[in-house]
Amino acid sequence: EAQVTQNPRYLITVTGKKLTVTCSQNMNHEYMSWYRQDPGLGLRQIYYSMNVEVTDKGDVPEGYKVSRKEKRNFPLILESPSPNQTSLYFCASSLWSQGRYEQYFGPGTRLTVT
Amino acid sequence: RKEVEQDPGPFNVPEGATVAFNCTYSNSASQSFFWYRQDCRKEPKLLMSVYSSGNEDGRFTAQLNRASQYISLLIRDSKLSDSATYLCVVKKDGTGGFKTIFGAGTRLFVKA
Repeated sequence: EAQVTQNPRYLITVTGKKLTVTCSQNMNHEYMSWYRQDPGLGLRQIYYSMNVEVTDKGDVPEGYKVSRKEKRNFPLILESPSPNQTSLYFCASSLWSQGRYEQYFGPGTRLTVT
Repeated sequence: RKEVEQDPGPFNVPEGATVAFNCTYSNSASQSFFWYRQDCRKEPKLLMSVYSSGNEDGRFTAQLNRASQYISLLIRDSKLSDSATYLCVVKKDGTGGFKTIFGAGTRLFVKA
């Protein structure tokens, strides 16, 4: 079954305590990305990766880091979380194949930073 | 001005109605276009890609007008299960690949 998994699903943490949200996909997709979703602002792209060791900033990268050491994994790192990073986070992977586009999102991680 | 703008909604329609969603994008370098649906508190799901020639998938029809930088989605014979938020999505070329821009979404309520 095609799947994107994220962990944890829910996290409450305190300002400044480093955290990592993991993302893994089982579809051998090359493209992966992270989004945050906030009321009234919709989904905004944080970082994306075209392939292993290839990452680039989206529209809201400040305060986040990513790495892509393996094709299946794309963790999101918050080195020093702040309350304005409280949000719903989605990981996604996608692929263009024979003119057809497929994309899957993970179930989301709800992060609260106090 | 947002890069991708959608009707503010919400749309409240009876079952069986035809509903049209509109979306405009500001960056002419945009290259790929999509419609997603998102149910409350769930992840977005790809509904359909949008091609210049227009494309149809059952009750859903998507159109793209590059000259006007306009995308539309038409739902015919709407069902209760169509109630969701519909997101217009544009991909454009970034330094390392394609950036993805989501519209804020239009909420649809289909009533019995």
